[in-house]
Amino acid sequence: QSVLTQPPSASGTPGQRVTISCSGSSSNIGSNTVNWYQQLPGTAPKLLIYSNNQRPSGVPDRFSGSKSGTSASLAISGLQSEDEADYYCAAWDDSLNGLYVFGTGTKVTVL
Amino acid sequence: EVQLVQSGAEVKKPGESLRISCKGSGYSFTSYWISWVRQMPGKGLEWMGRIDPSDSYTNYSPSFQGHVTISADKSISTAYLQWSSLKASDTAMYYCARPEGPEGYWGQGTLVTVSS
Repeated sequence: QSVLTQPPSASGTPGQRVTISCSGSSSNIGSNTVNWYQQLPGTAPKLLIYSNNQRPSGVPDRFSGSKSGTSASLAISGLQSEDEADYYCAAWDDSLNGLYVFGTGTKVTVL
Repeated sequence: EVQLVQSGAEVKKPGESLRISCKGSGYSFTSYWISWVRQMPGKGLEWMGRIDPSDSYTNYSPSFQGHVTISADKSISTAYLQWSSLKASDTAMYYCARPEGPEGYWGQGTLVTVSS
C-alpha cells in the first residue's frame, strides 16, 4: 500500500495555478528527495520533477516542486488542457532495506 | 537515445508461469538499476523491486517478495520479471523503469492478463 498520501483529485480552469500535496514521514520524504511523475491517459509515467525541485530537460517551467519536512508539493502554473493527467509523488523509504514508495496519485482535471 | 523496450502483452491462465522482459539500449546497461512497477486496472503505481544489472543484486518490496522474481542478463542488456504460478490478481500493466533523475526512463509497459 502507498505510504505517501495525495489528494485524489484537483482541478482548475486554463491559466490557473493548481497545487498537489504529498504527505509522508521521517523515513521517506523526511530523509530523501522527492520525485514527481505525470501519467497521461493510456501512457507510461514520465518523470516531471526530480530531487524535490529539478526539472528534466524538456519539462516546461510551468511545473515546479518543493519540499518541507515530511511533505512535498507540485505546482502547475498556467494550467493547460494537456496537463490533464494523473500525478504521483515518490521517494525512497529508509525502512526495510530500501523501498521506493509512490503516492496515492492525484487526478488533475482541466475544467 | 536511451530506450527501455518491453515484451508484448500476455494472456495466461491461473497457475501458469510467465517471464516478461525489458531490453535497455542507448546507455551502459550495467550502470543503472532497473525497477519494476505494477499498475493494476484503474489503480496507482506500486514499486515491486529493482535489480543492479552489474551483479544481479536485487531488493524487493515486502508486498512482492516471494511472489515474483527479478533477474537480468547483462550480456544482452535485458531485465526480467517472472512468476512461477500466476493468479487472477496478477492482472495488471507492468513497467520497467529507471525512475530517477535527471532523466528518468520508462518502458512502454507490458499488459498481463490472467484469466481462466
